[in-house]
Amino acid sequence: GQQLNQSPQSMFIQEGEDVSMNCTSSSIFNTWLWYKQDPGEGPVLLIALYKAGELTSNGRLTAQFGITRKDSFLNISASIPSDVGIYFCAGQLNTNAGKSTFGDGTTLTVKP
Amino acid sequence: NAGVTQTPKFQVLKTGQSMTLQCAQDMNHNSMYWYRQDPGMGLRLIYYSASEGTTDKGEVPNGYNVSRLNKREFSLRLESAAPSQTSVYFCASSETPESQPQHFGDGTRLSIL
Repeated sequence: GQQLNQSPQSMFIQEGEDVSMNCTSSSIFNTWLWYKQDPGEGPVLLIALYKAGELTSNGRLTAQFGITRKDSFLNISASIPSDVGIYFCAGQLNTNAGKSTFGDGTTLTVKP
Repeated sequence: NAGVTQTPKFQVLKTGQSMTLQCAQDMNHNSMYWYRQDPGMGLRLIYYSASEGTTDKGEVPNGYNVSRLNKREFSLRLESAAPSQTSVYFCASSETPESQPQHFGDGTRLSIL
């Protein structure tokens, strides 16, 4: 099946720093998704990307759909303590959410 | 303003016992999903229901059954629980099969001894 590699696996940063994480695949996807999961809760959809090269922002978060369609990037600017959590990418090949593949997550810790 | 509600939040079972995890959404969404999340890993799809009356297998369906009882409710059943099914289970919904799972429940933490 399709595999997604997320990196880094974990990050420890100082409040105010910018964060970059990425997701790569051996297969092409037509949709890339980024979710955040807080401890003890379900994931929350942050950004959805539908077109190669697309750059989309949601507040301090910016995500890009790689032009090869095999990767995606998430940047967080000026991190704050509430950014702490696990960030997951997910890829979809077909227009069927039932076929999404999730990465293993990047755990972000922000030190005040 | 409940969104997706899962019950129970925690459960401990013995090997061989059966159990049904309940999920309900109040957003009039057509599609619903069941995922499992193991430590240090992302979500893996067990089953999904694109619309009321339909269900399809996901990536890891073995050992599970589902029922789309009506548009609101989608239950997951373990007929004979095994320790390998110890996990956190999440239910999710989306407006259509083409849209992404946007709304997740808070999970059911299931331990099988």
